[in-house]
Amino acid sequence: AQSVAQPEDQVNVAEGNPLTVKCTYSVSGNPYLFWYVQYPNRGLQFLLKYITGDNLVKGSYGFEAEFNKSQTSFHLKKPSALVSDSALYFCAVRDAGGYNKLIFGAGTRLAVHP
Amino acid sequence: SQTIHQWPATLVQPVGSPLSLECTVEGTSNPNLYWYRQAAGRGLQLLFYSIGIDQISSEVPQNLSASRPQDRQFILSSKKLLLSDSGFYLCAWSSRDRGPGGQYFGPGTRLTVT
Repeated sequence: AQSVAQPEDQVNVAEGNPLTVKCTYSVSGNPYLFWYVQYPNRGLQFLLKYITGDNLVKGSYGFEAEFNKSQTSFHLKKPSALVSDSALYFCAVRDAGGYNKLIFGAGTRLAVHP
Repeated sequence: SQTIHQWPATLVQPVGSPLSLECTVEGTSNPNLYWYRQAAGRGLQLLFYSIGIDQISSEVPQNLSASRPQDRQFILSSKKLLLSDSGFYLCAWSSRDRGPGGQYFGPGTRLTVT
């Protein structure tokens, strides 16, 4: 069965420190992976995607993600966290059933402290 | 560029009343369209998706229905709301022409059933 796991409900990091939000997946075939961010009472904003190619994907707002096929992971990273990065982050994988449907993880709340 | 609109932004409705939420997409044609519900500011539940006019697929049995009367218009409805219908409703679109490019979300509608 296809699935996405975000093992941490919340991640706390000090401003200026590097951050990592973890994501692992289970799919049949090649994975198409995505990260989204959601601020309170807003829709999800697309951050980045991995389709094929370089394992390190760069996205919006200084975020990047590393695809690791052997560990079936797609962790979101940023070298230096900002207080404004505090939000809810979702990892997703494209459903093999088609129609660009996505399977989302449960979300990880990132709190960046001054 | 593409834009997705949802209205209303917030809605408070009594139990047993009808519901109509609207989503429209600009700047693209022939999109896939999706309705999600997000409860308690966390996980996303896919409710319906549509690959074309009058072509609706339901992901979960429930008190809601969806319609797509025009190519870029997607409507979520209910004849009689339940308390459990409260939540944050998100509409999203994806391109059918550009491969696995992910989904793009609207700003959402906060529904409170009293």
